[in-house]
Amino acid sequence: GAVVSQHPSRVICKSGTSVKIECRSLDFQATTMFWYRQFPKQSLMLMATSNEGSKATYEQGVEKDKFLINHASLTLSTLTVTSAHPEDSSFYICSARRQALNTEAFFGQGTRLTVV
Amino acid sequence: AQSVTQPDIHITVSEGASLELRCNYSYGATPYLFWYVQSPGQGLQLLLKYFSGDTLVQGIKGFEAEFKRSQSSFNLRKPSVHWSDAAEYFCAVGARGYSTLTFGKGTMLLVSP
Repeated sequence: GAVVSQHPSRVICKSGTSVKIECRSLDFQATTMFWYRQFPKQSLMLMATSNEGSKATYEQGVEKDKFLINHASLTLSTLTVTSAHPEDSSFYICSARRQALNTEAFFGQGTRLTVV
Repeated sequence: AQSVTQPDIHITVSEGASLELRCNYSYGATPYLFWYVQSPGQGLQLLLKYFSGDTLVQGIKGFEAEFKRSQSSFNLRKPSVHWSDAAEYFCAVGARGYSTLTFGKGTMLLVSP
């Protein structure tokens, strides 16, 4: 399968600061990337869908001004958590998919964000 | 709206024993169904998927799942569990392939010696 890499795998930041998480497709061009959030002992909740070169589509209840998503190239999408608060602490996972609709979406290894 | 229910939060199975993880879905049309496995602190790996055709699908690592429309179920099975199978398993449903997936809450599989 194809490889999707997330960086960093773990990050600790202070309240009020911003943190950027990168999601890269290493060996394929990802026209669509998805960002999920996973709370402890909970399932993955889709936050947003981003298509290369266009604005991300956010799920209901997700603050677009707080979770900035950029998908500027076919191999990179970034999620920036702005003015982070402790309640933003979570596990963030991205997935990336090639152009065709029914192709598999490959998941990154996730980023554990802790806001102190 | 689509939804997925995994009724078992935890399951403990002896090594070598058979395994069945339950998944029920709610979706108005023909669903696209998936099973993923997640090891601690890791991302998700696709075990298998059902889009159409044969209702019994084979996946990686010796897993299989059966789509039963009448029961709205897509249970995951393995005839003989190995200690390395201990992980969390997520069932997911999608409206159009992989476009937007709705995940169940997961079932944690523990394997006893």
